[in-house]
Amino acid sequence: GENVEQHPSTLSVQEGDSAVIKCTYSDSASNYFPWYKQELGKRPQLIIDIRSNVGEKKDQRIAVTLNKTAKHFSLHITETQPEDSAVYFCAANAGNKLTFGGGTRVLVKP
Amino acid sequence: DSGVTQTPKHLITATGQRVTLRCSPRSGDLSVYWYQQSLDQGLQFLIQYYNGEERAKGNILERFSAQQFPDLHSELNLSSLELGDSALYFCASSATSGETYEQYFGPGTRLTVT
Repeated sequence: GENVEQHPSTLSVQEGDSAVIKCTYSDSASNYFPWYKQELGKRPQLIIDIRSNVGEKKDQRIAVTLNKTAKHFSLHITETQPEDSAVYFCAANAGNKLTFGGGTRVLVKP
Repeated sequence: DSGVTQTPKHLITATGQRVTLRCSPRSGDLSVYWYQQSLDQGLQFLIQYYNGEERAKGNILERFSAQQFPDLHSELNLSSLELGDSALYFCASSATSGETYEQYFGPGTRLTVT
């Protein structure tokens, strides 16, 4: 089955700096890669996703890149703000289910 | 608000007991997924239903079962509860059972087994 690894597990950045989270996946048949943000005690919220027919997608301060050959994808957050502090999960969808990475706890220091 | 609802929000019960968690998907969504999230852990996929039929299974224990009803709401039944079953249980819904459609999560049910 699919295996998704996510790094780093924790990330501390200064407000205004950029944050990058990287994920690798194992199943070459995966073709959908969403990112979720989860604040403490709340539901995961879809923040951006990318499909295998594109290499990059941007939405305001967040962007995702996908390298299908290397089987890795990354989340980039620019100009980080304190409200970006949360746990971020990547996922890969092969078959009828999402396999999630282990999560990255991002702390933005004011 | 994702449009996915879950009840109850919190559940406290004793070991050996049985509980039922309920999920209503977004209007029009046919697929429901159940996930378990233990403390400081990631999201573990349990099971998926599409239009009333089981479509995919993950790491779901035999003590757990689920179903999706004709009105598309779903229930997750957890029996012979153990302390280790304490977790947040999320359901998510999507428009189809396809591989590339967004899943939207409900607010979760926090289960505490004492």
